[in-house]
Amino acid sequence: GAGVSQSPRYKVAKRGQDVALRCDPISGHVSLFWYQQALGQGPEFLTYFQNEAQLDKSGLPSDRFFAERPEGSVSTLKIQRTQQEDSAVYLCASSPSEEQYFGPGTRLTVT
Amino acid sequence: GDSVTQMEGPVTLSEEAFLTINCTYTATGYPSLFWYVQYPGEGLQLLLKATKADDKGSNKGFEATYRKETTSFHLEKGSVQVSDSAVYFCALRYSSASKIIFGSGTRLSIRP
Repeated sequence: GAGVSQSPRYKVAKRGQDVALRCDPISGHVSLFWYQQALGQGPEFLTYFQNEAQLDKSGLPSDRFFAERPEGSVSTLKIQRTQQEDSAVYLCASSPSEEQYFGPGTRLTVT
Repeated sequence: GDSVTQMEGPVTLSEEAFLTINCTYTATGYPSLFWYVQYPGEGLQLLLKATKADDKGSNKGFEATYRKETTSFHLEKGSVQVSDSAVYFCALRYSSASKIIFGSGTRLSIRP
């Protein structure tokens, strides 16, 4: 079956541009997580949804970061006015209950 | 706060060598512990897990034992293969509804 998919896989943005990163979770998975992985580091938590409810957004680094999951399925992570420090791989994971299944990530490069 | 510390890489070994990747954690409660693996060009995959003290997780010849007294969860494999070359992440999590806290990763390269 299909796993978690993310698009685009690669995104280059000029500093100051807005970007939107999409996550298609595994069908039926209730929980959805976003993580940010800087080069050479482990993933760091950004935010968590249970269905359409955003239950934890404590990891979002600034108010330029916004995530939504309006119908409890696809999720979008939006970054406004991108900065160089936003360059990273953004990982999405979905979960039916216990295990989190990770997508391949979107590599964002801000120039 | 909670955190995970793992040995820095890269680690380079010859095929059939014994592998240990050290991992220690700091936790305020009693988390589950995990090892994830990221093969080149692929997404993160769960390798093994242990949910309570003294549990041993195992998969694909890899093992790790949850040691509460030393707050450790070291990854071991008796005989590594070239196909084990990847980045390995130690991690902890408190519940299925909570975030995973990852270590910084250890890159493993196996020479034929």
